[in-house]
Amino acid sequence: QVTLKESGPGILQPSQTLSLTCTFSGFSLSTYGMGVGWIRQPSGKGLEWLANIWWDDDKYYNPSLKNRLTISKDTSNNQAFLKITNVDTADTATYYCARIEGDNNYGYWGQGVMVTVSS
Amino acid sequence: NIVLTQSPASLAVILGQKATISCTASESVNKFGINLMHWYQQKPGQLPKILIYNEFSRAPGIPARFSGDEAELNFTLTIEPVEADDVATYYCQQGLTFPLTFGSGTKLEIK
Repeated sequence: QVTLKESGPGILQPSQTLSLTCTFSGFSLSTYGMGVGWIRQPSGKGLEWLANIWWDDDKYYNPSLKNRLTISKDTSNNQAFLKITNVDTADTATYYCARIEGDNNYGYWGQGVMVTVSS
Repeated sequence: NIVLTQSPASLAVILGQKATISCTASESVNKFGINLMHWYQQKPGQLPKILIYNEFSRAPGIPARFSGDEAELNFTLTIEPVEADDVATYYCQQGLTFPLTFGSGTKLEIK
């Protein structure tokens, strides 16, 4: 059974760094072809893709966030991470991690973690 | 970036009738003859759930009431017959080119 669960700070201040963790089970990021992505959704708005990481440590980022993103993984502990530097109120959203299936679709999603950026 | 234009933004359908949601891509999402267009359903307060992948393939457990099609960069998600449980926002997403992009969503309501 595949499960994913996100965790994060809940609230942080502008200019800080947001650190998110995705803890998953039912698959391994050391297995050929496996990958995890991060997607966010501001309240009442649509979905925005942020980044993907694969078993071989290949990574892709959304350039609209202008080099503020860093995705990484810990295969030993079945975790993936996302850091967003220099946050502002526009980064307030629910952040989801999801398993990448073939052809870059997301078959399994975590429940999401709400993050609020506020001074 | 590949832009996905979804329409309509909202849709009210009578129970048992057909709902048609459109997603037009700004350029081809075809890879080796397969359109990498995916559809998700997000019910109020819930996480997104994949319905259709690669244009027309239903994800496991998705009923045949949900179908996907394509004509000249215009992708369609059809729900027929619509049930009360289908109230949700539906998103298309292309998987061909980074950055991956989503449509803006279509909110389905029951009339």
